[in-house]
Amino acid sequence: DTAVSQTPKYLVTQMGNDKSIKCEQNLGHDTMYWYKQDSKKFLKIMFSYNNKELIINETVPNRFSPKSPDKAHLNLHINSLELGDSAVYFCASSQETGEFGYTFGSGTRLTVV
Amino acid sequence: SQKIEQNSEALNIQEGKTATLTCNYTNYSPAYLQWYRQDPGRGPVFLLLIRENEKEKRKERLKVTFDTTLKQSLFHITASQPADSATYLCALDQAGTALIFGKGTTLSVSS
Repeated sequence: DTAVSQTPKYLVTQMGNDKSIKCEQNLGHDTMYWYKQDSKKFLKIMFSYNNKELIINETVPNRFSPKSPDKAHLNLHINSLELGDSAVYFCASSQETGEFGYTFGSGTRLTVV
Repeated sequence: SQKIEQNSEALNIQEGKTATLTCNYTNYSPAYLQWYRQDPGRGPVFLLLIRENEKEKRKERLKVTFDTTLKQSLFHITASQPADSATYLCALDQAGTALIFGKGTTLSVSS
């Protein structure tokens, strides 16, 4: 049973397209996150949702929009993809305070050509 | 400005030795600090958490120390094995935000 699952694992798309990445967790966690890991392997927080409500929205282009239909799902929609969006995107979840660590998905490698 | 620095990008040691990784931070007041392991093509995996009022935490061959005066955490792997080869990330909690990660140290353990 995968605790945090992301789909797809790989995504290759052309500039200007719109794409979505899905994330689901079966841990009963209250909070879910999207992180971006760039080519230098630096993990940067993008969004955080707690019980379907956005609580953190770091400075990311508004082409990125998270959607949480329920507390077990947090999807990431990206409009008008650009070359610079190429990266690995990780979904994660935690108990509300995060004091017991985050559980990460295996990542979605997005390549924009 | 706020910074989290892991002292080296790469660390090479021999099997059986103790690996020591360093995490320094500035302009943060974290309630706790966490360490993660990341293997190529995988997401980070949680290893240990240490709170601001704790000096040391152990788990099997892993030991973490936390000095809020020096603003530093040390992560030790004793009796290292080739299977310990991975990238290790430190991460800080800042109240009201998600975890902030350092850039990681890639450990290579040779047999």
